[in-house]
Amino acid sequence: DTGVSQNPRHKITKRGQNVTFRCDPISEHNRLYWYRQTLGQGPEFLTYFQNEAQLEKSRLLSDRFSAERPKGSFSTLEIQRTEQGDSAMYLCASSLPLWSGYTFGSGTRLTVV
Amino acid sequence: DQQVKQNSPSLSVQEGRISILNCDYTNSMFDYFLWYKKYPAEGPTFLISISSIKDKNEDGRFTVFLNKSAKHLSLHIVPSQPGDSAVYFCAASVEGAGNMLTFGGGTRLMVKP
Repeated sequence: DTGVSQNPRHKITKRGQNVTFRCDPISEHNRLYWYRQTLGQGPEFLTYFQNEAQLEKSRLLSDRFSAERPKGSFSTLEIQRTEQGDSAMYLCASSLPLWSGYTFGSGTRLTVV
Repeated sequence: DQQVKQNSPSLSVQEGRISILNCDYTNSMFDYFLWYKKYPAEGPTFLISISSIKDKNEDGRFTVFLNKSAKHLSLHIVPSQPGDSAVYFCAASVEGAGNMLTFGGGTRLMVKP
């Protein structure tokens, strides 16, 4: 287990299409987070899971966004009816409950054309 | 309302000299602070952290200072090396808030040989 894995690395989609990203956290980490980063900005919190429970969602997460972590292992983030404003880097991170910092994945870069 | 701000978008330093990166926050509830480093096409990597009960934490060439009264923290890198060239993000969290992080906008550090 070498770290947090995100797939795909890059995604180009047409406006209005649905996209789904996958995150595989570090196996012993039971907390999983999704962040979004746009150019020139720091990452912004979207949502987090403890095991399979989604405990917090940001107001940034509109109704078009949904995240799941069905068995408390990997997670998916789906964006429906994509808009150009959704173009960003989507970062996944995982951690243990005992605070020791996140481990981030390399991200999925979404471009909506 | 940006709760965590990094007012210098970029910083250029000569190799061997000290790099000082600054960060200000507005939310007095923040009680844990972190610095992350990010290379292009990679996710942020945890660098160093500090709890609000301390005013200094040191790890090798990296030292973080916290001034709670001024709501200010800084990261010192001594001596700076070309490999330190990256974007540095400060982040803050509230204990018990699920380890959600609020990030600043980042400072691009360039260390010249």
